[in-house]
Amino acid sequence: DGGITQSPKYLFRKEGQNVTLSCEQNLNHDAMYWYRQDPGQGLRLIYYSQIVNDFQKGDIAEGYSVSREKKESFPLTVTSAQKNPTAFYLCASSQGPNVEKLFFGSGTQLSVL
Amino acid sequence: RKEVEQDPGPFNVPEGATVAFNCTYSNSASQSFFWYRQDCRKEPKLLMSVYSSGNEDGRFTAQLNRASQYISLLIRDSKLSDSATYLCVVYNFNKFYFGSGTKLNVKP
Repeated sequence: DGGITQSPKYLFRKEGQNVTLSCEQNLNHDAMYWYRQDPGQGLRLIYYSQIVNDFQKGDIAEGYSVSREKKESFPLTVTSAQKNPTAFYLCASSQGPNVEKLFFGSGTQLSVL
Repeated sequence: RKEVEQDPGPFNVPEGATVAFNCTYSNSASQSFFWYRQDCRKEPKLLMSVYSSGNEDGRFTAQLNRASQYISLLIRDSKLSDSATYLCVVYNFNKFYFGSGTKLNVKP
């Protein structure tokens, strides 16, 4: 079955540590997105990519980095510069222009030790 | 000003009730509109797209008013399983903008 796979489901970060969240899709979608959700709040865009080897900052990119070396993969690194990383992280994809429906992975809950 | 604004609720309704959620968006050039449903600690799932002509899917009816920049969702004959957070989503210029969600609790 086609879909988006995020891993791990739960992740713990120590002070000063970088951690990477995985996102893989086999939907052949061009566009991929990373969102952060804090309790009781909506989703905020961290980074997005419309095509391989290209990505743009979203509204809250500081302290995060991404890469898009393959169409299927869009990993997110939470760096030590992100001082408040505890949140639910969601990866999503869409087919591209004029087909805007978003499909989500099941999310990664990141917590600080 | 936020791109998308929703009443956070919660809306506490009995089974069988009709409930309506509203949402406003700030960018008049927005291209597409959606309602997503999110259960606690889960990913959002597409409930329905929203069109100017209005669209219905079973007990759910969505409406878009471009002139007022306003989106609505009506749920008829509420079920216990409808309890969730409903997210209003607007797409423009390659980005999706999410409202903070409206929480619905359907009680027996």
